[in-house]
Amino acid sequence: EAGVAQSPRYKIIEKRQSVAFWCNPISGHATLYWYQQILGQGPKLLIQFQNNGVVDDSQLPKDRFSAERLKGVDSTLKIQPAKLEDSAVYLCASSFTGRASSAQYFGPGTRLLVL
Amino acid sequence: GESVGLHLPTLSVQEGDNSIINCAYSNSASDYFIWYKQESGKGPQFIIDIRSNMDKRQGQRVTVLLNKTVKHLSLQIAATQPGDSAVYFCAETPGNQFYFGTGTSLTVIP
Repeated sequence: EAGVAQSPRYKIIEKRQSVAFWCNPISGHATLYWYQQILGQGPKLLIQFQNNGVVDDSQLPKDRFSAERLKGVDSTLKIQPAKLEDSAVYLCASSFTGRASSAQYFGPGTRLLVL
Repeated sequence: GESVGLHLPTLSVQEGDNSIINCAYSNSASDYFIWYKQESGKGPQFIIDIRSNMDKRQGQRVTVLLNKTVKHLSLQIAATQPGDSAVYFCAETPGNQFYFGTGTSLTVIP
């Protein structure tokens, strides 16, 4: 079974530029998550999708971050404009259902460096 | 936000010894807890979980203990191997929300 795919793996941009990350979840998984993991910290949930609808985006900085999952499969996360403090690893995860007891499978992440 | 913390940020153990990683959580409403392992350059990987109606759960070489009285969670790894070197996170889930701790870096000394 293929795992969660993410691209790119690494990205370096200058502050105020824009960047987009892509995620392809495990086939059949209805729920998709985007996390931000700052160096030395645990992942922090940014947004959770159930199919193509948003379940929780309470911790998403909506003035600069946006995400979509138009067809209920792949998802993109965008930052515009980027700030220095956005430097982090952005992890995508998926699960079969949105229940907490449904195991989340993580992708390898996209490491973003904002200069 | 929630507070899920670990008592020790780093832990070094000799190969073959047992490892114990601790975690304190803050939300008494949390009813489900998960331990994840994250190797360098990879996403977190599920290790073991436990529900709040249990005190102990065992897996292959791993055991999770839950003490709801003091809101404490621990992960025990038996006969630690070099492949166990990673950062370990606990996560608590009040409802369907996930809150991860800071993580403990485990280094296994050959």
